[in-house]
Amino acid sequence: AQKVTQAQTEISVVEKEDVTLDCVYETRDTTYYLFWYKQPPSGELVFLIRRNSFDEQNEISGRYSWNFQKSTSSFNFTITASQVVDSAVYFCALRGGANSKLTFGKGITLSVRP
Amino acid sequence: DTAVSQTPKYLVTQMGNDKSIKCEQNLGHDTMYWYKQDSKKFLKIMFSYNNKELIINETVPNRFSPKSPDKAHLNLHINSLELGDSAVYFCASSQVLGQGAGNEQFFGPGTRLTVL
Repeated sequence: AQKVTQAQTEISVVEKEDVTLDCVYETRDTTYYLFWYKQPPSGELVFLIRRNSFDEQNEISGRYSWNFQKSTSSFNFTITASQVVDSAVYFCALRGGANSKLTFGKGITLSVRP
Repeated sequence: DTAVSQTPKYLVTQMGNDKSIKCEQNLGHDTMYWYKQDSKKFLKIMFSYNNKELIINETVPNRFSPKSPDKAHLNLHINSLELGDSAVYFCASSQVLGQGAGNEQFFGPGTRLTVL
């Protein structure tokens, strides 16, 4: 069975602060895929990143960075110098092998105050 | 150009009615999905179709019936609507399941269903 745990439910920061969103996963699949999605107040779901289980290289994209650690089954997301536009619900998700479903965590509501 | 589109965006209806939500994707993907997001923002898959064939069917009441006329369309029909069906329903698509099990899913804008 697959499980994604986002222990933080709500985070509030002041603009320009750095913030890390935690994601811990469980799976028995040896090959799996991890994702982060953003859901802004407008409601759409925006794909941010995918990481394969066989690629532990961390990734940076502008102010966003992701730290994937198989040893701790974590795939954390850091926003550097947060901005008000980063305010959204962020979902971590996991997908196992072929024909398996995408399992979402419960989401973290991030509020960035000016 | 909208990649994954859904209609309608809002749907308000009475208990007991039957309604449909339409979804279309122009990404050339082979796999489409329906998700339900409840009031606590929890997202859960309902159905998945690959090339018009049902491949994932979660424990969804049989009042919900997906229909895929072609691989670019996946509609959701709901019979005898209940109060608990109120939620946001998202359609999504991705590249071929199996070979591309890790391919990201692209979501439509969602349909907010309110059952009174």
